[in-house]
Amino acid sequence: DSGVTQTPKHLITATGQRVTLRCSPRSGDLSVYWYQQSLDQGLQFLIQYYNGEERAKGNILERFSAQQFPDLHSELNLSSLELGDSALYFCASSVGDLPSYNEQFFGPGTRLTVL
Amino acid sequence: AQTVTQSQPEMSVQEAETVTLSCTYDTSESDYYLFWYKQPPSRQMILVIRQEAYKQQNATENRFSVNFQKAAKSFSLKISDSQLGDAAMYFCAYRTPFGNEKLTFGTGTRLTIIP
Repeated sequence: DSGVTQTPKHLITATGQRVTLRCSPRSGDLSVYWYQQSLDQGLQFLIQYYNGEERAKGNILERFSAQQFPDLHSELNLSSLELGDSALYFCASSVGDLPSYNEQFFGPGTRLTVL
Repeated sequence: AQTVTQSQPEMSVQEAETVTLSCTYDTSESDYYLFWYKQPPSRQMILVIRQEAYKQQNATENRFSVNFQKAAKSFSLKISDSQLGDAAMYFCAYRTPFGNEKLTFGTGTRLTIIP
């Protein structure tokens, strides 16, 4: 158990819908990262938040958005869902103090299926 | 942009034997981190081993060791005394120590352990 929690574990929805994935980081971790694992794209970085602020952006679609709340939990919002958005979405967290090394601890993931 | 390449989609090894998984990467940076992550059927991402590019000594964690060749941009993982529980997808990953902390992953190698 990494200490990172993600809900829900599984989500099945239809094309065109909107969903919200939730992540609670490890206690004390200020950084949250979102990754997408799909058959087509492999494992790719979407976005990072540090203490409520966006720190880095990857290949995140405009239909996707995220935020980190004052209690440091994060939500990834996916809208106008397409079949290709079906994937495993991971959240990871780290202490987030640059420039020293901070291990990213991964949550169990949310499996999204778009029908 | 940094890229990570794993040229072996699948590998198999007899239980108790040794196996080496290959990884190459491309970067113009001189300082960075390299990682091997394990993803068992549970889908959890588990950090196996980490290597800092400035360290010449190869990292070792129990039965897992790496062969880091900085000039060749090669980072292989050796698993000794393979066990059934080692069966998983293995991902090589790269990260810079400064700025964007995202992990860049390779496409993975599926390791099968033959009893």
